[in-house]
Parts: sequence; C-alpha cells; structure tokens
Amino acid sequence: RKEVEQDPGPFNVPEGATVAFNCTYSNSASQSFFWYRQDCRKEPKLLMSVYSSGNEDGRFTAQLNRASQYISLLIRDSKLSDSATYLCVVNIGSSNTGKLIFGQGTTLQVKP
Amino acid sequence: DTGVSQDPRHKITKRGQNVTFRCDPISEHNRLYWYRQTLGQGPEFLTYFQNEAQLEKSRLLSDRFSAERPKGSFSTLEIQRTEQGDSAMYLCASSLGREQNIQYFGAGTRLSVL
Repeated sequence: RKEVEQDPGPFNVPEGATVAFNCTYSNSASQSFFWYRQDCRKEPKLLMSVYSSGNEDGRFTAQLNRASQYISLLIRDSKLSDSATYLCVVNIGSSNTGKLIFGQGTTLQVKP
Repeated sequence: DTGVSQDPRHKITKRGQNVTFRCDPISEHNRLYWYRQTLGQGPEFLTYFQNEAQLEKSRLLSDRFSAERPKGSFSTLEIQRTEQGDSAMYLCASSLGREQNIQYFGAGTRLSVL
C-alpha cells in the first residue's frame, strides 16, 4: 500500500465548477499535511498547508480528518489557470524531519 | 533569480556512464533535499542535508548514488554506472530549518539513460 494515495484523475471540469480532490495516508503518526501544485513540466510549488481545523485560501479550502487519515482539497469557481496536477503531501513520522512523502498527484483540466 | 537552481537541466547519457548533478539552494536555507520523479508519479524522497550533514537516505538510494554538500551550500548528486531505470527528473529543494515543510523546488535535471 502506498503511503499517500490519490486518484490520479484526470478531472475534466468546466470553468466555474467546484471540484474536490481526496487523499488518504497510511501512517497515523504523520504530523504535517500539504497540497502542492505542479504545472506541466514544472517543479512542484506549495499551494497550502492543511490544518486540523480546516483552512481556506481564497477559492481553495483544505480539510484534514485525522481519524480517517484523509485530506481533501476543494476548489470553487474553477479557472482555466487552475489546470495542473495537485499533489497531496505528508510529513511522515513524529520527528518532523522535513522528509515529505508525495502522492501520485491528481490532474485537473479546466475547460472553457 | 534567487530561487533554487539546478544544473544541467537535461542530461543524456549512455548506460554505464557516471553523471553528476548540481543544486544551488536559496542562500539562507540550511536544509537541502533531493527527490526523484518519474512520469505520472509524485516526487520520491532520496536524501536530505542539514548544512553539510547528510541526515537521512532513502532505501531508493542504492550504492551507485552518492550526494554531498561539502560546505553546507551547494550540493551534488552523483550516479555511477547509470542504468535505464535511473531515467527520471531529479529535483532539488531547500528550506529554512524552522519552516522545513515549506520546500522550494528547483526546475530539476531530467536524466535520460540510453
């Protein structure tokens, strides 16, 4: 079983749609959670951290469910520029070493 | 440009040859990480440094792989006796110790082993 699992998609949605991505992680000792964004042939970039209470950044909302070991990302009012691969990322273990474990990524295509 | 830089951007080599990649982190960042990414997959952790000390190595890093960060600034990743399975994008990232989870990635070195 992979340490971080995501549905690879692709998710094809029209502009203005709301889309949600999910991710599960296997290590219950994981301490920190993130969503990174990766554009085609580019490097990953931090989109947002995910906090236990849930957090929002503009059109993006992230949720964490520690009991179910589940992380989600909701994108409202999708823009063409949101087309990218969204990587679910976990810092494994209690020592918080900075060693990040990435999911496979979920590809989003927003169409006009 | 004060971001993470990697050199070369692309490397084509024949099986059995040695290759070396360089990463220059953001100047004040004390942590430096190497990841490998293959098509359709997320980056996989290889190793990381805090200053010049290599603190962790993944089991993915076979004996043919070695990484150094001699002065706590730039780092090199060497692959000896390359194999076709080594073909991948090699990504370097850096972070500040107190914000270690916020990692800034370079554009990567794409290795093709023929």
